Amino acid sequence: QKEVEQNSGPLSVPEGAIASLNCTYSDRGSQSFFWYRQYSGKSPELIMSIYSNGDKEDGRFTAQLNKASQYVSLLIRDSQPSDSATYLCAGGNTGGFKTIFGAGTRLFVKA
Amino acid sequence: SQTIHQWPATLVQPVGSPLSLECTVEGTSNPNLYWYRQAAGRGLQLLFYSVGIGQISSEVPQNLSASRPQDRQFILSSKKLLLSDSGFYLCAWSWKGRGTEAFFGQGTRLTVV
Repeated sequence: QKEVEQNSGPLSVPEGAIASLNCTYSDRGSQSFFWYRQYSGKSPELIMSIYSNGDKEDGRFTAQLNKASQYVSLLIRDSQPSDSATYLCAGGNTGGFKTIFGAGTRLFVKA
Repeated sequence: SQTIHQWPATLVQPVGSPLSLECTVEGTSNPNLYWYRQAAGRGLQLLFYSVGIGQISSEVPQNLSASRPQDRQFILSSKKLLLSDSGFYLCAWSWKGRGTEAFFGQGTRLTVV
């Protein structure tokens, strides 16, 4: 069973700090990785996609991928209370038609 | 732009009753379509995916079924609901091609009583 593992948290950071979310995956054939944000009672919203080793930045968000270590991370700079949510890490499987999700990490940003 | 509609938003059904959840996508053609279920405090479990009309792949043995009668319509059904079918059901679509990101509908919160 191909898996995506995340620390369930909760991760608590003060407003303005950097939040660091981490994820590991088992499918070495995975080529695409995603971070979704899910507010309580709502559906997941895509915030970042990453396909190549290294860093990808979009506003306050930076996704990092290390395929050799099978590791994906998301950094949120200048964290805001509105960033408080569950963050889901996901990876496309080797065949490419399915996306496997981790259980999510709950993030709390304290004002 | 592309949009995905899923309804109803909430549903309370008695054990043994049938189920039909519908999802439609607008603004694209021939998408990949997905049904996920999320139990409380858990991750997303892929139930079914479809790469075309009438093509359904099932991921988990269960008393649910899926159908794709039209290119942009995806339906999740059950003949007799179980208590364990309660959860948050999410329809999603992605572009054709491998490893593309999925975009979700608003979800249906199903409670079987």
